[in-house]
Amino acid sequence: DIQMTQSPSTLSASVGDRVTITCRASQSISTWLAWYQQKPGKAPKLLIYKASSLESGVPSRFSGSGSGTEFTLTISSLQPDDFATYYCQQYNSYWTFGQGTKVEIK
Amino acid sequence: QVQLVESGGGVVQPGGSLRLSCAASGFTFSSYGMHWVRQAPGKGLEWVAFIRYDGSDKYYADSVRGRFTISRDNSRNTLYLQMNSLRAEDTAVYYCAKLRAAGTTWDAFDVWGQGTMVTVSS
Repeated sequence: DIQMTQSPSTLSASVGDRVTITCRASQSISTWLAWYQQKPGKAPKLLIYKASSLESGVPSRFSGSGSGTEFTLTISSLQPDDFATYYCQQYNSYWTFGQGTKVEIK
Repeated sequence: QVQLVESGGGVVQPGGSLRLSCAASGFTFSSYGMHWVRQAPGKGLEWVAFIRYDGSDKYYADSVRGRFTISRDNSRNTLYLQMNSLRAEDTAVYYCAKLRAAGTTWDAFDVWGQGTMVTVSS
């Protein structure tokens, strides 16, 4: 089974900050990686697929990069609506989520 | 608009059974693979099961294999999850989700339902 490890688990940041979240796979997954945003009591929302493709309707301040085993999600300028928990997910072999990164207000 | 609506959650005793449903609308349901994903209270997301668009392939997480069965009725635009031999650790919000691209198996999930809560407790 492919394990996904996100870091950090919690991130404290201010509006306007550049934020980066890292996701590592236990084996190569090429670019078969997605990022989701989840707010309390809500379903996850797809942000990025195939490591770097922006889902339709998602603000351009979100970007993804990486391939193989190391990936990043970057928010170029954090907005109030971005405080949430973010999950990476591999879909190279079955489907596995990372443990999540909570972005909280500093 | 594209929508998924889950139902069937509730409180059940350990060892009991429950069937979840997910009603799809706004897209050609029979063209898309579908998943169930769960989230225990205060925890992260856990993939549970997948069914191919035509029902020909099904995959399960190790934690539910042999106890849960995923199925679909393309004539009714509905996805199901039959859950048997339920355990306390199955307590979670259960989401259905669709694959982003038609006809694929390995893809991201672009539309999610609102979730239905399953509580396994005596």
